Amino acid sequence: EIVMTQSPATLSVSPGERATLSCRASQSISTNLAWYQQKPGQAPRLLIYGASTRATGIPAKFSGSGSGTEFTLTISSLQSEDFAVYYCQQYNNWPPALTFGGGTKVEIK
Amino acid sequence: QVQLVESGGGVVQPGRSLRLSCAASGFSFSRYAMHWVRQAPGKGLEGVTTISYDGSNKYYADSVKGRFIISRDNSKNTLYLQMNSLRAEDTAVYYCARDGGIFTITNWFDPWGQGTLVTVSS
Repeated sequence: EIVMTQSPATLSVSPGERATLSCRASQSISTNLAWYQQKPGQAPRLLIYGASTRATGIPAKFSGSGSGTEFTLTISSLQSEDFAVYYCQQYNNWPPALTFGGGTKVEIK
Repeated sequence: QVQLVESGGGVVQPGRSLRLSCAASGFSFSRYAMHWVRQAPGKGLEGVTTISYDGSNKYYADSVKGRFIISRDNSKNTLYLQMNSLRAEDTAVYYCARDGGIFTITNWFDPWGQGTLVTVSS
């Protein structure tokens, strides 16, 4: 099973600043990676698929990059609504497993 | 608008069964593969099972294989998850999610329902 590791576990950012989140796969997954945002008490929301394609309705402030084993989600100019937990998910090695990273919590500094 | 509404969660004893439902609206349900994803309290996410748009193909995580059964009724726009031989480690919020593609399986999830909590405890 492919293990997805996200870092850091918690990222403290001031409003208006940029956040850079990392996701590493234990083996190459090409660009078969998605990013999700989850706010407390809510379901996750798709942000990015194919490592860099924004989902419908997702603003350009969210950008994804990477391939193989190293991936990055960048959030520019953080606003209050962007403070949440972000998960990466690989879908290269399936079936049977669609595995997620442990998440990065982006909190207000 | 696209809406997914789960139901059927609750408290159940270990070894017993429970069936979850997910009512879909606002899109052509029969064109999309569907998924169940779960999240244990305070934990991360786990893909549980996937069903193709026509129900002909089903896939399960090793953790639930042989115990859980996914199905769908395209005439009722409803997805199901039959959970048997439940264990304490199955305790989680269960989300249904639409696949990202039409007449295929992309394996990214968009959108998700609000989830239903399943607690397995004696």
